[in-house]
Amino acid sequence: NAGVTQTPKFRVLKTGQSMTLLCAQDMNHEYMYWYRQDPGMGLRLIHYSVGEGTTAKGEVPDGYNVSRLKKQNFLLGLESAAPSQTSVYFCASSLTVNTEAFFGQGTRLTVV
Amino acid sequence: EDKVVQSPLSLVVHEGDTVTLNCSYEVTNFRSLLWYKQEKKAPTFLFMLTSSGIEKKSGRLSSILDKKELSSILNITATQTGDSAIYLCAVEGWHAGKSTFGDGTTLTVKP
Repeated sequence: NAGVTQTPKFRVLKTGQSMTLLCAQDMNHEYMYWYRQDPGMGLRLIHYSVGEGTTAKGEVPDGYNVSRLKKQNFLLGLESAAPSQTSVYFCASSLTVNTEAFFGQGTRLTVV
Repeated sequence: EDKVVQSPLSLVVHEGDTVTLNCSYEVTNFRSLLWYKQEKKAPTFLFMLTSSGIEKKSGRLSSILDKKELSSILNITATQTGDSAIYLCAVEGWHAGKSTFGDGTTLTVKP
């Protein structure tokens, strides 16, 4: 049982490049989330999804897009990367709202 | 704006010490408070608290919620080096996307 798997684990981008982070969960969870974590800070919610085909904005959505075409996958896209998007990105899933979230191992993204 | 404040921001103790980590919150439509432990990578779930005054316990860790004071504490007794981690507090609202995390407390336990 893999839980929540994120790919890639590390990436370096040049300013203006685009990329997609993939999150896959095998727990049949309805809810999925993308967070970013900056040094000395907690997790800030970028976007989330309450089910296949649905997405919604979180606290810091600007510069990111998401898609949830299949229940098990939640993709985070950066169309034109900026140095301010240098961060560690975590994907999480939960069965319903207000239950424990299961997190992926994180993606360390550096934009130069 | 919802706010979760954790204190202290960092703490260094020696093995065997007892520590208390604090989490206070100002949120609309509070539903639950969750504690996570983050070692090198992914946060892992510790406790979820919804009712005041009911202690949750797991081994040497325990936590309690005080809705009147809008706060929670996480206690760790007889600390071990393996307890070294960032401890995150998150407050959940009634709807998805209404979770707010604190900045975390970095605990270092020295042998």
